[in-house]
Amino acid sequence: DIVLTQSPGTLSSTPGERVTLSCRASQSVHNDYLAWYQQRRGQAPRLLIYGASSRATGIPGRFSGSGSGTDFTLTVSGLEPEDFAVYYCQQYGNSPLTFGGGTKVEI
Amino acid sequence: EVQLVESGGDLVQPGGSLRLSCAASGFNFEDCAMHWVRQTPGKGLEWVASISWNSGGIDYAESVKGRFTVSRDNAKTSVFLQMERLKLEDTALYYCGKAERGYIFGRGGLIDQWGQGTLVTVSS
Repeated sequence: DIVLTQSPGTLSSTPGERVTLSCRASQSVHNDYLAWYQQRRGQAPRLLIYGASSRATGIPGRFSGSGSGTDFTLTVSGLEPEDFAVYYCQQYGNSPLTFGGGTKVEI
Repeated sequence: EVQLVESGGDLVQPGGSLRLSCAASGFNFEDCAMHWVRQTPGKGLEWVASISWNSGGIDYAESVKGRFTVSRDNAKTSVFLQMERLKLEDTALYYCGKAERGYIFGRGGLIDQWGQGTLVTVSS
C-alpha cells in the first residue's frame, strides 16, 4: 500500500498569508494521480486539486498544487477566512486508494 | 446539481449487520464508478470499497474484505454497502463518493463529489 505522510500536522497562520502543505508518498504515485481535498468543520471533503496540479471546477485560483513522483505540495496564496480547515491528500493511482493523515490549517 | 444522500447508519452491536444506501441524482449515474469512504476522529479518511459503472469491477479494503459487500442499482441510481459481522473499529461516518470515470482504478479512483455521510456506531 502507498502510505501518504502529510506535514505539518497543524499549521497556524493568519488571513492573507501564503501557506504550503506537504504530502510525501512511500512510493511513486502512478501517473501523479494525487488529489487534495479540503474539509471544513462538520462538512464532507471537497475536491480541490487532481492530477497533482489541476484545479477542480469552481476552485479559486489561490489554490495550487505541484509535485510529482513521491513529493507533492498544496499552496494557498492569500488565506481567506473560509480556508481554515483540514486538508487531505489522496493517491488514486494504485489500489488500495489511500489518504494522508491531514493537515489542519488554523488561525 | 450533484446530490449524494447516504442513509442507513445506526447503532448496532458487535457482530451485527447493517445496510447503507446512497441515493444519487444530478449526473449520469450509470457512467460513474462509486466509492465508500469512512472517517473516524482517530484515523482520518479510510477508503472502504469501490464499484465500477457496470458492477464488473469491485474492490475492498483489506479491513472489510469478506464482511462488506458493495452493490449498485443503476435503474434506481443508488449504491449500497452491506455490512456484516461488524466490529467496534467499524464505527465511523460513512461517505459515498462519485468518481469522474466509470472504472474504479486510475482516474476512476478520483472522488469528485461526496455525500454528507451516515453515522455507524458499533457498540454493546
